[in-house]
Amino acid sequence: QKEVEQNSGPLSVPEGAIASLNCTYSDRVSQSFFWYRQYSGKSPELIMSIYSNGDKEDGRFTAQLNKASQYVSLLIRDSQPSDSATYLCAVKSGGYNKLIFGAGTRLAVHP
Amino acid sequence: GAGVSQSPSNKVTEKGKDVELRCDPISGHTALYWYRQSLGQGLEFLIYFQGNSAPDKSGLPSDRFSAERTGGSVSTLTIQRTQQEDSAVYLCASSLEGQGFYGYTFGSGTRLTVV
Repeated sequence: QKEVEQNSGPLSVPEGAIASLNCTYSDRVSQSFFWYRQYSGKSPELIMSIYSNGDKEDGRFTAQLNKASQYVSLLIRDSQPSDSATYLCAVKSGGYNKLIFGAGTRLAVHP
Repeated sequence: GAGVSQSPSNKVTEKGKDVELRCDPISGHTALYWYRQSLGQGLEFLIYFQGNSAPDKSGLPSDRFSAERTGGSVSTLTIQRTQQEDSAVYLCASSLEGQGFYGYTFGSGTRLTVV
C-alpha cells in the first residue's frame, strides 16, 4: 500500500465550478498535511497546510482534514483555467522528519 | 537569499560520468531536502539534512549517490558513474525547521539527462 494515495486524474472541471481533490494516507500518526501545486515544467509550490481536523480556508482554496478516516482534501472554488496544474498531497508521517508525497492529481479547468 | 537556488538548471552528461548538483537554501532554513522527480512521476525522497544532525540517507537509491551540506548551508548532491535511469529532475527544498510543521520551499530544480 502506498503511503499517500491520490487519483492521478485528469480531473476535468468547467470554469467557475468547484474542483475537489482527494488524498488518503496510511500512517495514523501523521501530523502535518500539505497541498502543493505544480505547473508543467515547474517546481512544486506550497498552497495550503492543515494540521487539525476540520476545514481551513484561504481565498478560493479550502483544505479539509479527517484524521479518523485518514483523508485530506482540497477544494478549489470558482475554478479558473490558471488553476490547471498537478496538485500534490504531502504528509509528514509520525516517525519521520520528511514529507511523503502522493503522485499527484492533474486538474484541467476548461473555459 | 530570496529563494532556494539550484544549479545548474540543466545538465546533460554521458553515461558513466560523475555529476554534481548544487543547492543554496533560503537563509535561516535549517532543514534541507533532496527529492527527484522522473517524467510524469511523483516526488521521490533522497536525503534530508537538519542542522548538525546526521543526515537521513534512507532514500538514496544506490551507493553511487551521495550528498553533503557544508556549514549548514549549501548542499551538493553527487552522482557517480551516471546511468540512464538517473535521468530526472532533481529538486532541492528547504524548511524553517525539520519537524515538518512548516512546508518546504522548493528550488527550480536541475534537469539531468544521461545520454
